[in-house]
Amino acid sequence: AQSVTQLDSHVSVSEGTPVLLRCNYSSSYSPSLFWYVQHPNKGLQLLLKYTSAATLVKGINGFEAEFKKSETSFHLTKPSAHMSDAAEYFCVVSDGYSSASKIIFGSGTRLSIRP
Amino acid sequence: ETGVTQSPTHLIKTRGQQVTLRCSSQSGHNTVSWYQQALGQGPQFIFQYYREEENGRGNFPPRFSGLQFPNYSSELNVNALELDDSALYLCASSFGLAVTDTQYFGPGTRLTVL
Repeated sequence: AQSVTQLDSHVSVSEGTPVLLRCNYSSSYSPSLFWYVQHPNKGLQLLLKYTSAATLVKGINGFEAEFKKSETSFHLTKPSAHMSDAAEYFCVVSDGYSSASKIIFGSGTRLSIRP
Repeated sequence: ETGVTQSPTHLIKTRGQQVTLRCSSQSGHNTVSWYQQALGQGPQFIFQYYREEENGRGNFPPRFSGLQFPNYSSELNVNALELDDSALYLCASSFGLAVTDTQYFGPGTRLTVL
C-alpha cells in the first residue's frame, strides 16, 4: 500500500531565507511523486513532478525537489523565500500508470513567510 | 486558453438534499477528475471520467455520481447529503490518462451541509 507523510503541518521562514518542506512516502512500486501549491481561493497548481527520470527535479518559481529512494523522501526546497510563496503545499504519490489509480495526497504543509 | 472553471463557488444545503456541481475542463482536455478536500486535509480522489466514461473511482459511496458530456465538461452529483459531505470539491482536467499528464485544477466549490 502506498502512503505519503508531510512531516510538518506548518513551516515559518523569514523572507530571503531557504525553504524546506519535508515529505516521506511509501510505495510498493516505482512511484511518481508531485508537489502542488494551493493559494487561498485558488486551485491547486503543479510545482514539479518526478517520474523516474532525473532524481533532482526543478519546478516553477525556483522550487526543486530531490527523490531519494534510500530515504523514501521527496523534500521540496527553495534557496530564498519570497512573500508570494506563502500558501499550502501538498506532496502527492502515485504508483500506478493511470491518473485514476491510487493518487494519494499528503495532509499539507502551510508555509508562512515573515517579512 | 481558458482554464478550468467550476460553479457554483459556494453552496449551502441541508442534510438529505441533493446537489450538482459543475466543471468546465480546459480547452483540449478529455479527462476530468473530481476530488473532495475536507477542511485542513489534502484532497481525496472521488472518480475520474475519460471521454464520457467513468475510468476509476476512489473510496466513495454510490451516492456520489458523475457525468461527462461530449464537450468534456463534467458534473458531480451527491444524493442524500450528510454533514460530513461539507468540503471543498475540486475538479481537475488533463489531456490523457497517464499519471504523468499534468492535471489543471479549478478553484473549487465550497459545499456546506447544515
